[in-house]
Amino acid sequence: DGGITQSPKYLFRKEGQNVTLSCEQNLNHDAMYWYRQDPGQGLRLIYYSQIVNDFQKGDIAEGYSVSREKKESFPLTVTSAQKNPTAFYLCASSIAGATYEQYFGPGTRLTVT
Amino acid sequence: GQQLNQSPQSMFIQEGEDVSMNCTSSSIFNTWLWYKQDPGEGPVLLIALYKAGELTSNGRLTAQFGITRKDSFLNISASIPSDVGIYFCAGNTLQGGSEKLVFGKGTKLTVNP
Repeated sequence: DGGITQSPKYLFRKEGQNVTLSCEQNLNHDAMYWYRQDPGQGLRLIYYSQIVNDFQKGDIAEGYSVSREKKESFPLTVTSAQKNPTAFYLCASSIAGATYEQYFGPGTRLTVT
Repeated sequence: GQQLNQSPQSMFIQEGEDVSMNCTSSSIFNTWLWYKQDPGEGPVLLIALYKAGELTSNGRLTAQFGITRKDSFLNISASIPSDVGIYFCAGNTLQGGSEKLVFGKGTKLTVNP
């Protein structure tokens, strides 16, 4: 079945540690996105990539980094510079030029204490 | 930045009732989308609207793209318990040469059997 996988579902880290969230898709989509979701809030765009080896900052990129070495994979690193890293992180993908139809993964809930 | 005002914030209804929610903005959007998110999961695309004035149905769901391109509504008819979740509107727009989705903060729907 085609889809987007994010792992792990739950992640716990100590403050000051970097952590990498995985996102893989087998939909053959060119574009991939990372969003952050906080309770009672809409989704906010962290980074996006429209093609391999290229990515752009979204609205809240500070304290995060990404890479896009393969079409299928778009890992997100939450660095120790991110002041409030505890959140639900969602990865999405779309076909090229169709930002308006994004398909989401199941999400990773990160808790930093 | 651009914002979507989604209302109501939450709704408590009885099974069988109809539901209506809407999104408004001071900005024009090229595409409107409606997503549903179950607890702890990623959003699932319900309906996509591409033209001003467009009215589209998906089973018991009906959505419309406002004539001014600044608003959209979603109706759910004859609600059932599995309609429970958070419904997000999203608008697609061009910013800085790139397309991006802007999300509302969601409408949390509770259906009492």
